[in-house]
Amino acid sequence: DTAVSQTPKYLVTQMGNDKSIKCEQNLGHDTMYWYKQDSKKFLKIMFSYNNKELIINETVPNRFSPKSPDKAHLNLHINSLELGDSAVYFCASSEVYNEQFFGPGTRLTVL
Amino acid sequence: AQKITQTQPGMFVQEKEAVTLDCTYDTSDPSYGLFWYKQPSSGEMIFLIYQGSYDQQNATEGRYSLNFQKARKSANLVISASQLGDSAMYFCAMRVGEGAQKLVFGQGTRLTINP
Repeated sequence: DTAVSQTPKYLVTQMGNDKSIKCEQNLGHDTMYWYKQDSKKFLKIMFSYNNKELIINETVPNRFSPKSPDKAHLNLHINSLELGDSAVYFCASSEVYNEQFFGPGTRLTVL
Repeated sequence: AQKITQTQPGMFVQEKEAVTLDCTYDTSDPSYGLFWYKQPSSGEMIFLIYQGSYDQQNATEGRYSLNFQKARKSANLVISASQLGDSAMYFCAMRVGEGAQKLVFGQGTRLTINP
């Protein structure tokens, strides 16, 4: 019955590798998001998709590429990982104007 | 630019007491929404309460209430009768924009409830 799910929960990888995080929501929402939470717990929007269309790209390096195959899925692919990419990445979904429901987060550690 | 400020990095409260977590916001948009989220040590983000900028009444959800003072641009969260399980990080956030939606978060307040 998970509303917003993310895989994997933990990701440990070497600098320079490419990795993906998957997100799925079963709430029927039209809008999905990616947020990054840094080591100081600060949360910042990265991307927002509405019905598979990118509507927010918040000055994120183009090593990060979101992909939405359908409105229930929003994946995040990261190329050439850097140490500074280490963070917790949250996927979220919402109806327009309503609260956002967050996934459990993916803790990415780049060594 | 839109901004959320939470001035209390940490708060310590005795169990069963009420606690107020401060949040001030800055936006020139007349239409906005204010949210509070709880993040326990397990890491998930839990939605607590919402207040729309045009709502006349303060929002309440069980033990949570939002003290919305529009002229002061503040949206403080009040937790009544605190419990040990309330110990967590609390984030105030603002939804901005009519079309493209995003949440702008404050820095968070770590609340510790003492037995």
